[in-house]
Amino acid sequence: DVKVTQSSRYLVKRTGEKVFLECVQDMDHENMFWYRQDPGLGLRLIYFSYDVKMKEKGDIPEGYSVSREKKERFSLILESASTNQTSMYLCASSVSYDRTSGGFGNIQYFGAGTRLSVL
Amino acid sequence: AQTVTQSQPEMSVQEAETVTLSCTYDTSESNYYLFWYKQPPSRQMILVIRQEAYKQQNATENRFSVNFQKAAKSFSLKISDSQLGDTAMYFCAFMNDYSGSARQLTFGSGTQLTVLP
Repeated sequence: DVKVTQSSRYLVKRTGEKVFLECVQDMDHENMFWYRQDPGLGLRLIYFSYDVKMKEKGDIPEGYSVSREKKERFSLILESASTNQTSMYLCASSVSYDRTSGGFGNIQYFGAGTRLSVL
Repeated sequence: AQTVTQSQPEMSVQEAETVTLSCTYDTSESNYYLFWYKQPPSRQMILVIRQEAYKQQNATENRFSVNFQKAAKSFSLKISDSQLGDTAMYFCAFMNDYSGSARQLTFGSGTQLTVLP
């Protein structure tokens, strides 16, 4: 089974702090994603990465940055946390090419989420 | 840009009954994938079912089936013989079928389903 692990289930930080959310996957997936989940808004894509050191902005990248130094690890960084970044953060990974089906990968596997509170 | 709409924020169903969750989407693409994901109280997002737009046959997975109406851009999820463990937030999601890696998901706002004993 694919395992996507997020380092913290709950996190409480102060306004202005630098915050790191870590995500590790164990299936050698090329693609990794960070989403933010808010009630009534569903999941919104913050950033994604399709290879080591490569990153692309999603729909709501403002106030966030990411780092992918190793294939299995994708970090989300809040440079200066603000109260409006209080949310649930979900990490996901996917394969680029699905050798089983012979097509491009389309299933994303999710971690259990980190609930971040910024006070 | 694609949009996904789930118009039912909350639903409930009696155990062993059948329930249908609605989802509509908007796209100009002809090839794409549609998904239903389930997020139980444990918060672990789990894939329930997937539909490829070029396939006319509706996908089924045990008690879960979809009604995919491509022309109407509708993708509803039917849960038969509902069980208490089906209580969860259900998200409908869309993905373009393009020949690049890191395909992105666009999610709806979710439907909280409660199965009543």
